[in-house]
Amino acid sequence: GEDVEQSLFLSVREGDSSVINCTYTDSSSTYLYWYKQEPGAGLQLLTYIFSNMDMKQDQRLTVLLNKKDKHLSLRIADTQTGDSAIYFCAESPPSGAALIFGKGTTLSVSS
Amino acid sequence: DAGVIQSPRHEVTEMGQEVTLRCKPISGHDYLFWYRQTMMRGLELLIYFNNNVPIDDSGMPEDRFSAKMPNASFSTLKIQPSEPRDSAVYFCASSFSPAGREGAEQFFGPGTRLTVL
Repeated sequence: GEDVEQSLFLSVREGDSSVINCTYTDSSSTYLYWYKQEPGAGLQLLTYIFSNMDMKQDQRLTVLLNKKDKHLSLRIADTQTGDSAIYFCAESPPSGAALIFGKGTTLSVSS
Repeated sequence: DAGVIQSPRHEVTEMGQEVTLRCKPISGHDYLFWYRQTMMRGLELLIYFNNNVPIDDSGMPEDRFSAKMPNASFSTLKIQPSEPRDSAVYFCASSFSPAGREGAEQFFGPGTRLTVL
């Protein structure tokens, strides 16, 4: 497909792990990004991974990259209510200048 | 750096009025992007600039929309005349590098919530 695809919703309980998945379009994308958008705010860069890596860990966040399947995932360990937000993945293809964003996954964390 | 600055944060106007949204990118960033976000369409790229020059405006909905970047620290998005369907949150973002390169991550402003009655 031509769109960066994400599931629209994910609901988890506080303390559980959350896994947000993304399928991107361009196998030559050099960087893949995860952004977080809290209500009423702009998109905030959470983390990114270079395409020659298959995993990156940053505190409670783990990014996994499967280049063969063009699949990216974000795992949030010990999910907290403050993690409730919309999460966007984005790819960085070498053609053009703009990142290509998915439609976002709304994460709802219940206590 | 204060990050990307947008003004106003909220704008309520009546149909037919002119609306001007403003953006100050992060100093040293050569790329500036304007996005629109709605529930129905998600995040849409409207236009982007490189070194103050518009590069791709294919996302601009129609001739009622125009964008300028008179210098490296200021850009405007203008809607004239405005219509109710223009109601959305408009984001400005900037980056140091183009996509595909190190430094391509975009930094977003807080957005302008536009309501056209």
